[in-house]
Amino acid sequence: NAGVTQTPKFQVLKTGQSMTLQCAQDMNHNSMYWYRQDPGMGLRLIYYSASEGTTDKGEVPNGYNVSRLNKREFSLRLESAAPSQTSVYFCASTSYGTGVYEQYFGPGTRLTVT
Amino acid sequence: DAKTTQPNSMESNEEEPVHLPCNHSTISGTDYIHWYRQLPSQGPEYVIHGLTSNVNNRMASLAIAEDRKSSTLILHRATLRDAAVYYCILGRDYGGSQGNLIFGKGTKLSVKP
Repeated sequence: NAGVTQTPKFQVLKTGQSMTLQCAQDMNHNSMYWYRQDPGMGLRLIYYSASEGTTDKGEVPNGYNVSRLNKREFSLRLESAAPSQTSVYFCASTSYGTGVYEQYFGPGTRLTVT
Repeated sequence: DAKTTQPNSMESNEEEPVHLPCNHSTISGTDYIHWYRQLPSQGPEYVIHGLTSNVNNRMASLAIAEDRKSSTLILHRATLRDAAVYYCILGRDYGGSQGNLIFGKGTKLSVKP
């Protein structure tokens, strides 16, 4: 099993450009999450999807959109990138309602907006 | 959401036990105590979780105070690979899994050879 995979690993954008971060999991989990981590800080939740077909805002959703494409894939889109969105982005997944408590995290995407 | 308080940093010697404290005085009855750690340049990884009783697994032990207002993550023999940021997180139980996790700044553990 690959677990949670994220692409790309690194990205540099100019202010105003758009991009989509991709996340996929092969553990048959029903819940998926997007976090961002700024330098020296803990993770903050951007959006989550409790199950296929649903998405909800987290703590810091402004400037982002998400799509739960299917059970495996959950993408994060920046429509017009800003320097304040320079961060490391982590995707995670878990199995909601099954007694599984662990969230499994991907390796992260390091995004710089200039 | 209930908050946790952890020391910013701790140091340990290799092969010695490490006790990482966490205070959560506003914990509610349905809040689980989760610990995650984040190795340098990696995503967080699950370590352990518990509700009321002490818990052991292959990575660590979790000691929970009787009033549940504090807990301690115990690494029995620290290795260099255990150098990481350790997060203590309260997660509300929603029918068999935790709610959204709220990460603080955690405790940065350094391990000296």
